Amino acid sequence: DAGVTQSPTHLIKTRGQQVTLRCSPKSGHDTVSWYQQALGQGPQFIFQYYEEEERQRGNFPDRFSGHQFPNYSSELNVNALLLGDSALYLCASTYIARSSYEQYFGPGTRLTVT
Amino acid sequence: DAKTTQPPSMDCAEGRAANLPCNHSTISGNEYVYWYRQIHSQGPQYIIHGLKNNETNEMASLIITEDRKSSTLILPHATLRDTAVYYCIVRVLYSSASKIIFGSGTRLSIRP
Repeated sequence: DAGVTQSPTHLIKTRGQQVTLRCSPKSGHDTVSWYQQALGQGPQFIFQYYEEEERQRGNFPDRFSGHQFPNYSSELNVNALLLGDSALYLCASTYIARSSYEQYFGPGTRLTVT
Repeated sequence: DAKTTQPPSMDCAEGRAANLPCNHSTISGNEYVYWYRQIHSQGPQYIIHGLKNNETNEMASLIITEDRKSSTLILPHATLRDTAVYYCIVRVLYSSASKIIFGSGTRLSIRP
């Protein structure tokens, strides 16, 4: 049973560019959350998707957007990249109907903005 | 903002019990205490959670004070593989849609 997978593993972009990160949830999970983790800090919640809609959002600008597909996979898009967007981006999945207390995290995508 | 306070770092000898404290003095009656850990360059991993009773699983034990204002995560026989950042979190259980608010965590170092 594959856990949460994310792609790509690493990514280097230039300021002003746009980036798309991808996440496939753990088998049987229908809810995906995205987190940003700057170096030396704890993960910060970006937003959560369920039934292809954004259900909750953290304190992130509109440059951060997402999408969830019918197969529950998700994308995180960041426009007009800033140097401060350099971070580890984590995806977590859960099964909302079972109110699972365990959110399973993927290994993350390391984004570097130069 | 995170609703928990943890020491920034701790160390423990291999084979000994590691006791990680957490203060959550503003915890609400319907909030549970969760612990996650993050090994370097990996995603956070769920460890254990509890409401008011002590809990134990194959990874750790969780001791919650009677007033629920603090708790301790216990790794009974720490190994080098337990070196990680440990996060103490409070959140409502029956709301799987609820976001996890991470603090800065405790960096645990296990020395040989």
